[in-house]
Amino acid sequence: AQSVTQLGSHVSVSEGALVLLRCNYSSSVPPYLFWYVQYPNQGLQLLLKYTSAATLVKGINGFEAEFKKSETSFHLTKPSAHMSDAAEYFCAVSDDTGNQFYFGTGTSLTVIP
Amino acid sequence: GAVVSQHPSWVICKSGTSVKIECRSLDFQATTMFWYRQFPKQSLMLMATSNEGSKATYEQGVEKDKFLINHASLTLSTLTVTSAHPEDSSFYICSASPGQMNTEAFFGQGTRLTVV
Repeated sequence: AQSVTQLGSHVSVSEGALVLLRCNYSSSVPPYLFWYVQYPNQGLQLLLKYTSAATLVKGINGFEAEFKKSETSFHLTKPSAHMSDAAEYFCAVSDDTGNQFYFGTGTSLTVIP
Repeated sequence: GAVVSQHPSWVICKSGTSVKIECRSLDFQATTMFWYRQFPKQSLMLMATSNEGSKATYEQGVEKDKFLINHASLTLSTLTVTSAHPEDSSFYICSASPGQMNTEAFFGQGTRLTVV
């Protein structure tokens, strides 16, 4: 079964500092991988997705993630944190159809002014 | 991107009553819809998968008689929480998929259910 592990349920960074949110997947075949952001009492917004076209995926709001098969990782990064980046972030892997998702436990990002 | 709309965005109901949540795909036909539940400060847990015109497939531990799912058309799926109790209070999110390979699913904005 597909699964993802997010290391660190809470991450705090200073405004302007690098954001690094970790995600490792467990799969025998290259999966489809996603990063979503969730603001309080709202649904999920897609940040970016990996579908094997390129290992470095650029998303919205300056976020990007690199797929590393050797490390089974798909970490999310942003060079400079903004206050508006404070939210809950979920890594997810999908099944072969790209439709059914398995979510990580989430990482709450706090940005310190 | 494609739009999935959930209604209502929040609802408060009395214990013992039933609540229906709608999930609509506004600009595509969704052959498959998924229902998730999210407890505070936790991740999304898949409850069930519904395919248009057939019975939903429930995940282990999800009571199918309590969480009734109907997917009668290609643009609408409903989740009915029957005889709701306070422990059913949660955030419910649906996602919809066109059903094609390599196509992501699109998520609704979620419904906050509070049972008092």
